[in-house]
Amino acid sequence: DARVTQTPRHKVTEMGQEVTMRCQPILGHNTVFWYRQTMMQGLELLAYFRNRAPLDDSGMPKDRFSAEMPDATLATLKIQPSEPRDSAVYFCASGLLGDRTDTQYFGPGTRLTVL
Amino acid sequence: GDSVTQMEGPVTLSEEAFLTINCTYTATGYPSLFWYVQYPGEGLQLLLKATKADDKGSNKGFEATYRKETTSFHLEKGSVQVSDSAVYFCASRGSTLGRLYFGRGTQLTVWP
Repeated sequence: DARVTQTPRHKVTEMGQEVTMRCQPILGHNTVFWYRQTMMQGLELLAYFRNRAPLDDSGMPKDRFSAEMPDATLATLKIQPSEPRDSAVYFCASGLLGDRTDTQYFGPGTRLTVL
Repeated sequence: GDSVTQMEGPVTLSEEAFLTINCTYTATGYPSLFWYVQYPGEGLQLLLKATKADDKGSNKGFEATYRKETTSFHLEKGSVQVSDSAVYFCASRGSTLGRLYFGRGTQLTVWP
């Protein structure tokens, strides 16, 4: 049963520290998404990639956030420096999105707490 | 732009009650429509989908019908169980390279 995996599952850090979250998409999927979920804002799309190329990162604060796909099996989301308002659950999702009917598959999320 | 609006929660029901969670969308063209479910501590899982007008998606006793005339995709279940307690998200997807537009989510709690 293929799944999206994310590490770490939980991260507690202090303000100003760098945070790196990792995602392994389902093998063969060509599109990877990063979302952030908070009580106040709900589910927000931060960035997404097609065939490892960034398509849209307009949802991401550019001054501190960066997203990359070093290879087809790894996507990373970095925050540097982290701030308390970055505390949220970060989800990665992947899909083989050839047309508009295809589905995104979500990972279990990384719960980030910035003190 | 595309957007999805779903009813505010929380929704609290007794076991075996009938469930409806309303969802409407705005989109250019004819999007595909989805319901995702999020159980506590987990990521979102696809519950059901419909890809064209009048299609009915169904899974685990849940149903939703794509209504183009009312731009709606309401989620229903005839008899809910305690295990259905979760957050439910309605979403649309047009042709814009795969991104989904999510509603705010509706928390459902079912009591025995």
